[in-house]
Amino acid sequence: DVKVTQSSRYLVKRTGEKVFLECVQDMDHENMFWYRQDPGLGLRLIYFSYDVKMKEKGDIPEGYSVSREKKERFSLILESASTNQTSMYLCASSFTGVAGYTFGSGTRLTVV
Amino acid sequence: GENVEQHPSTLSVQEGDSAVIKCTYSDSASNYFPWYKQELGKGPQLIIDIRSNVGEKKDQRIAVTLNKTAKHFSLHITETQPEDSAVYFCAALSQAGTALIFGKGTTLSVSS
Repeated sequence: DVKVTQSSRYLVKRTGEKVFLECVQDMDHENMFWYRQDPGLGLRLIYFSYDVKMKEKGDIPEGYSVSREKKERFSLILESASTNQTSMYLCASSFTGVAGYTFGSGTRLTVV
Repeated sequence: GENVEQHPSTLSVQEGDSAVIKCTYSDSASNYFPWYKQELGKGPQLIIDIRSNVGEKKDQRIAVTLNKTAKHFSLHITETQPEDSAVYFCAALSQAGTALIFGKGTTLSVSS
């Protein structure tokens, strides 16, 4: 089975810190995605990437950036964390376009 | 861009009853509609999907129907069991055909 691993399950950071959320997949998927999940708002797309060094903005990219230096790794960066970025962050990957996303277990980030 | 509306937000049923979750989408060009199940503490997992050239698809107790004219699709779970309790998300391919856009989720509770 495809495995998508998010480096941290829980993370607590201070306002203003630079935060890195890491995601690694082990099945050579070209496509990787970052979503955030908030109660009542569902999953909202932050950024995605269809190839190494390629990135596209999703619906809510403000305050975030991403890095994809290697095919298997897709990092989400909060340049200066704010309390409104407290959320569950989900990484996903897929092989054939968007069909068959595989999600990681999520990183619950709290910004204090 | 694509917008996906999902109803109801919560659904409580007795074990053995059927459960129906409905979604509408805005982009008539969308052609791929997956459903995900998220159990507590886990990432969403794909349970069934349907493409626009198909009106209905079944997999054991789960079925999905699609009405392209009305731009809505539904998840049907028959003979519900307590282990069906979870959050369910519908999704549709975005207008640009680049990434999935998700509904806000339905929390299904099955009581025995």
